[in-house]
Amino acid sequence: AQSVAQPEDQVNVAEGNPLTVKCTYSVSGNPYLFWYVQYPNRGLQFLLKYITGDNLVKGSYGFEAEFNKSQTSFHLKKPSALVSDSALYFCAVRDYTGRRALTFGSGTRLQVQP
Amino acid sequence: SAVISQKPSRDICQRGTSLTIQCQVDSQVTMMFWYRQQPGQSLTLIATANQGSEATYESGFVIDKFPISRPNLTFSTLTVSNMSPEDSSIYLCSVEEDGGLWNEQFFGPGTRLTVL
Repeated sequence: AQSVAQPEDQVNVAEGNPLTVKCTYSVSGNPYLFWYVQYPNRGLQFLLKYITGDNLVKGSYGFEAEFNKSQTSFHLKKPSALVSDSALYFCAVRDYTGRRALTFGSGTRLQVQP
Repeated sequence: SAVISQKPSRDICQRGTSLTIQCQVDSQVTMMFWYRQQPGQSLTLIATANQGSEATYESGFVIDKFPISRPNLTFSTLTVSNMSPEDSSIYLCSVEEDGGLWNEQFFGPGTRLTVL
């Protein structure tokens, strides 16, 4: 069975500083990885995905994520955080079997202080 | 990207009643999913609702409790039956656009359900 772990319930960072939100995964076979963001009282918004190829994936709003197969990680990063980035971030995985649904991590709340 | 709307956006219901949640997509999609997000929790898949076939339910979710309809490629409903306070959650539908093996899913805004 596939699984995703987000070890930090909350990440605090000052505006302008770089941010990292951690994610590790477990799947049989090759993974297909996503990051989503959820703002208060809104649905999930897609940020970026990794299928294959370059280990550094660029996405929306200046976010990027680094795929590391040996560490089974897919950490979300941004060089300079904005207060408006404060939200709940979910990492998700899908494997290469026929099952198309996503398995989500527990979520990490990002708080960017002015 | 697909635009998804859900109705109602929120509701407060009495124990023992049922609520039907509607999901409308602005384009035709084969694959649709229903998720539940309990308070302070992550998303859990309830079922996959592909047009033209019966919904496939995940472990812990049954059709009698969460009947799903998928009458066409742009619409689906999820009913939460015989509700209890434990059913208080946000219910989200999502779709995966046709035409690729590795497309991302797009999510509706969710329906926030409170059961008293």
